Amino acid sequence: DAGVIQSPRHEVTEMGQEVTLRCKPISGHNSLFWYRQTMMRGLELLIYFNNNVPIDDSGMPEDRFSAKMPNASFSTLKIQPSEPRDSAVYFCAIQGARSGMNTEAFFGQGTRLTVV
Amino acid sequence: EDQVTQSPEALRLQEGESSSLNCSYTVSGLRGLFWYRQDPGKGPEFLFTLYSAGEEKEKERLKATLTKKESFLHITAPKPEDSATYLCAVRGTGNQFYFGTGTSLTVIP
Repeated sequence: DAGVIQSPRHEVTEMGQEVTLRCKPISGHNSLFWYRQTMMRGLELLIYFNNNVPIDDSGMPEDRFSAKMPNASFSTLKIQPSEPRDSAVYFCAIQGARSGMNTEAFFGQGTRLTVV
Repeated sequence: EDQVTQSPEALRLQEGESSSLNCSYTVSGLRGLFWYRQDPGKGPEFLFTLYSAGEEKEKERLKATLTKKESFLHITAPKPEDSATYLCAVRGTGNQFYFGTGTSLTVIP
C-alpha cells in the first residue's frame, strides 16, 4: 500500500523564521505533490515532481517558497522567511502509475503551520 | 484552464435523508475525476475515480456518477458518521489534480 508520512504534524514559528516541512513516501509512486489548504482557497497545488524532477512549480506563491526531492523517499518544502499569511495546512500527496492507469493521489496527514 | 466548482458549500441532513453533492468541471482531456472525503485534522481520503461519462461507482451509502460536465455524489440514507467534507478533483492532460473547495456535510442524528 502507498503511504505518506509528513512531519512535523504541527509547527508554530515566528515571522521571519525558516520553516522546513518534510514528506516521506513509503512506496509505490512516481509523482509527488505539495498542496496548501486554507478555508478561503481550499486545496492549492504548489509544486509537483515526476520521478524526483520538478515539473510544475507555477503554484509556488513566492520566491520564499522552495521544494526539493533528492530521492524517491524524501521531499522537503521550505519557507524562508515565513510570514503570517503562510499559515495553512500543507499536504504532501503521491500518485503512482500502475499499468498506465491514471491512478488516484494518496495524501499524508498534513502539517499545520502557524506563523505568528 | 482546468476548473472545479462544488455545490453546495455546506449541507445539513437528517439521518436517513438522502441527497446529492454536485461537482461541475471544465478540463482539457479528462484523465479522471476523483472524489475524496476529508475529516477534520486529516488528509483527504480517496473514495472513487470516474473516467468517462456514464460511469458509476458505489461504496456503501455513496454512489458517484459522471457526465461530460459534472459529477454527482449521491448519499443514500446517510448516518452521522458520514459527516465530513467531500472534495472533488479532476486531472486533465497535465499531471496535476485540481480540487474544488468541497462540500461540508453534517448528518444530524
